[in-house]
Amino acid sequence: AQKITQTQPGMFVQEKEAVTLDCTYDTSDPSYGLFWYKQPSSGEMIFLIYQGSYDQQNATEGRYSLNFQKARKSANLVISASQLGDSAMYFCAMRVYDYKLSFGAGTTVTVRA
Amino acid sequence: SQTIHQWPATLVQPVGSPLSLECTVEGTSNPNLYWYRQAAGRGLQLLFYSVGIGQISSEVPQNLSASRPQDRQFILSSKKLLLSDSGFYLCAWSVRVQGNGYTFGSGTRLTVV
Repeated sequence: AQKITQTQPGMFVQEKEAVTLDCTYDTSDPSYGLFWYKQPSSGEMIFLIYQGSYDQQNATEGRYSLNFQKARKSANLVISASQLGDSAMYFCAMRVYDYKLSFGAGTTVTVRA
Repeated sequence: SQTIHQWPATLVQPVGSPLSLECTVEGTSNPNLYWYRQAAGRGLQLLFYSVGIGQISSEVPQNLSASRPQDRQFILSSKKLLLSDSGFYLCAWSVRVQGNGYTFGSGTRLTVV
C-alpha cells in the first residue's frame, strides 16, 4: 500500500522568506508520480507541481520547487519569497500504476506580514 | 479546454435523508473520475473511482454509493445520511497517463444535522 507522510501540521513564515514543507512517501512501485496541491480557505484544490519518479531533475514552477530525494523517499516543497496569498493548506500526494491519488494529512502555512 | 462542474456548493441535510451529488466533466473523453471526502482540517480520503461507464470501485466501506451513467458524469449517492457523512466532498478527473495531475471540482460542503 502507498503511504504519504506530512509531519508538519502547521507552519508560520515571514513574508518574503522561503519555507520548506516536508513530505515522505512509501511505495514499492518503481514508477510513480508526486504532486503538491494548495488548498486555500475556499476549499478548491490547486495543482502546484509534479515530479515523476524517473525525472532526473527537480521540478520547478515559478516560486515553487520540489526537492526530490529518491533514495530517502522524500519530496519536499520549497516556496520561495512567500506572499500573504500563500497562506493555505498544502498537500503532498502520490500516484502509482493504478492512477489513484493518495494524499498526506496536509500542512497549514500561515504567512505573516 | 477541460472543465469540471460540481454542485451544489453547500448542502444541509437531515439525518436519514437521501443524498445526490453530481459531477460533470467537459472537454475530455473517457476520463478517470474520482470522489474524495475531506473531514475538517484533514487530508483527502478516496471514496470511489471509475475508469469507465458503469465501472465503479469503492475504496472504503461506507454509507455511500457512486454511479457513472455517462462517460463524463459521476454521481455520489446515499439512501439515508448519517451524521458521520458530513464533510467536504470533492470530485476529480484525470487522464490515464502518468505525469498528469488531477483536476478537482470546487467541492460540496455537506452538513448532516
